[in-house]
Amino acid sequence: KQEVTQIPAALSVPEGENLVLNCSFTDSAIYNLQWFRQDPGKGLTSLLLIQSSQREQTSGRLNASLDKSSGRSTLYIAASQPGDSATYLCAVCLVSQGGKLIFGQGTELSVKP
Amino acid sequence: DVKVTQSSRYLVKRTGEKVFLECVQDMDHENMFWYRQDPGLGLRLIYFSYDVKMKEKGDIPEGYSVSREKKERFSLILESASTNQTSMYLCASIGSGVYNEQFFGPGTRLTVL
Repeated sequence: KQEVTQIPAALSVPEGENLVLNCSFTDSAIYNLQWFRQDPGKGLTSLLLIQSSQREQTSGRLNASLDKSSGRSTLYIAASQPGDSATYLCAVCLVSQGGKLIFGQGTELSVKP
Repeated sequence: DVKVTQSSRYLVKRTGEKVFLECVQDMDHENMFWYRQDPGLGLRLIYFSYDVKMKEKGDIPEGYSVSREKKERFSLILESASTNQTSMYLCASIGSGVYNEQFFGPGTRLTVL
């Protein structure tokens, strides 16, 4: 059974720091891995999607990497800003089940001014 | 701009009521999903649908049913609402074939009294 784990559960950093969020998964049979952002009481906003054949994706200050063989992904946020404060979720898309996503529990990020 | 919409942002119902949550997507996606999100439990899949009039149980289908009469619309039905169904409900869609980005709606915060 696929399990997705995110470490740390919560992170507080001063503005301007570069930071790394971690995601690990137990089964490498995935189509892709997606990183989401969720603001309190809101839905999920897709940040980056990495196909299983790719190693990384970049969007602005965000960079996500994928090492399928070791079951790991990282989300790197450069020069963090208070507006980056949110919960970040990673999810793997299963090969076997029609696009179903398995989510991690999320990392709650707080960036202090 | 792609869009997934949900019929209500906030909903308050009484125990025993029949509740309908509606989701509409404008991307001509085949696959649609209903998740619920609870503190400490993360996002869990309730039901999903591959196509019109097709449905599959997710991880926690008990107490729920779904309807997909048109491709763009996927409804979640609580036949007799109970207090333990108080939760945030999130709808998502994805195209079939090579699975790409999954798009989420804004969520419905349901409270059952």
